[in-house]
Amino acid sequence: EAGVAQSPRYKIIEKRQSVAFWCNPISGHATLYWYQQILGQGPKLLIQFQNNGVVDDSQLPKDRFSAERLKGVDSTLKIQPAKLEDSAVYLCAGAKEFTGELFFGEGSRLTVL
Amino acid sequence: KNQVEQSPQSLIILEGKNCTLQCNYTVSPFSNLRWYKQDTGRGPVSLTIMTFSENTKSNGRYTATLDADTKQSSLHITASQLSDSASYICVVSGGSGYALNFGKGTSLLVTP
Repeated sequence: EAGVAQSPRYKIIEKRQSVAFWCNPISGHATLYWYQQILGQGPKLLIQFQNNGVVDDSQLPKDRFSAERLKGVDSTLKIQPAKLEDSAVYLCAGAKEFTGELFFGEGSRLTVL
Repeated sequence: KNQVEQSPQSLIILEGKNCTLQCNYTVSPFSNLRWYKQDTGRGPVSLTIMTFSENTKSNGRYTATLDADTKQSSLHITASQLSDSASYICVVSGGSGYALNFGKGTSLLVTP
């Protein structure tokens, strides 16, 4: 069974530029999460999807962050414009059901200069 | 407020020794508690998931305990190996909408 795919693994941009991250969860995993993990901290939820619908985006900075999961499979997370404090690892995770085990991708490490 | 507190923040032990990591939570209502291992530069990987009725669960050299009355969990690592060096994250599911509440993790370093 293939794992959760994320790309790119690493990205370096200057502040005010834009960036997009892609995630393809394990087949059949209806629930998809995007987390932001700053060095030395636990992951912080940005957005949760159930199929192609948003369940929770209360902590997503909507003035600069956006995410979509149009067909209920893969998902993209976009940051525009990026700020220095957005430097972090962006983790994507999927689960078969709402309270099920999470399967994480390897993450996308963003550095904003 | 639903919170998950982990201790210690970091820990260094010699290879072959045992260690115990702690997780205290205030999440209510409680659904389940998970321990994840996160190697440097990798995504977290699940070690155990425990529900209210389970008070101990093992996965190889990892044993998790749960005391739902005191809202405490521990992760015990037996006969540590160099590959155990990682961050261990406690995650408690519960509260409104069965949200996942993450601790900040304990960073473990196993030295030769």
